[in-house]
Amino acid sequence: GNSVTQMEGPVTLSEEAFLTINCTYTATGYPSLFWYVQYPGEGLQLLLKATKADDKGSNKGFEATYRKETTSFHLEKGSVQVSDSAVYFCALRGSGGSNYKLTFGKGTLLTVNP
Amino acid sequence: ETGVTQTPRHLVMGMTNKKSLKCEQHLGHNAMYWYKQSAKKPLELMFVYSLEERVENNSVPSRFSPECPNSSHLFLHLHTLQPEDSALYLCASSQDPRLANYGYTFGSGTRLTVV
Repeated sequence: GNSVTQMEGPVTLSEEAFLTINCTYTATGYPSLFWYVQYPGEGLQLLLKATKADDKGSNKGFEATYRKETTSFHLEKGSVQVSDSAVYFCALRGSGGSNYKLTFGKGTLLTVNP
Repeated sequence: ETGVTQTPRHLVMGMTNKKSLKCEQHLGHNAMYWYKQSAKKPLELMFVYSLEERVENNSVPSRFSPECPNSSHLFLHLHTLQPEDSALYLCASSQDPRLANYGYTFGSGTRLTVV
């Protein structure tokens, strides 16, 4: 079945540091890939997505590129802010048949210090 | 009002109580989901409804009973819960669940504490 593996946290950075959160996946066919963010006390919000190989999703300074050859979708941001402190979830959604569900990684807690 | 709205935001209940969680979406989606988020555990998919029909029940104990009266509303009825059921319960909705290009839209969740 489908699965998502993302780097264990927590990740602690200083403001303006570079961020990478690794995500790799296992899936059949051609899944769509997503990053969700969860701020304290809130539900999950869609941050960005990519629906085919070599697509780059981007939003709020975050980027991730769908790499089929390495089955990866790493999240990056060039300069993090304190307000980026949250839990980040990588997810995939399969195509066809019963593979319609979103499969989530375990989440990575990011803390950005001033 | 747009998005996915969950009520109440917080709920404290005793083990013998009966309560219900409510979820409402105004996005025109036709699939709705209940997730459980516990501390230090992955997100757990509990139930999936597509066009008001339950299409998935992931071995959830019978003390959790979902109801989807129409495509805009989803309930989770709770009775005789256990302390380990304390968690954040998240509702989500999506377009046709067979379309992989779309993600889910989540509500803010109900923080449930069972005492």
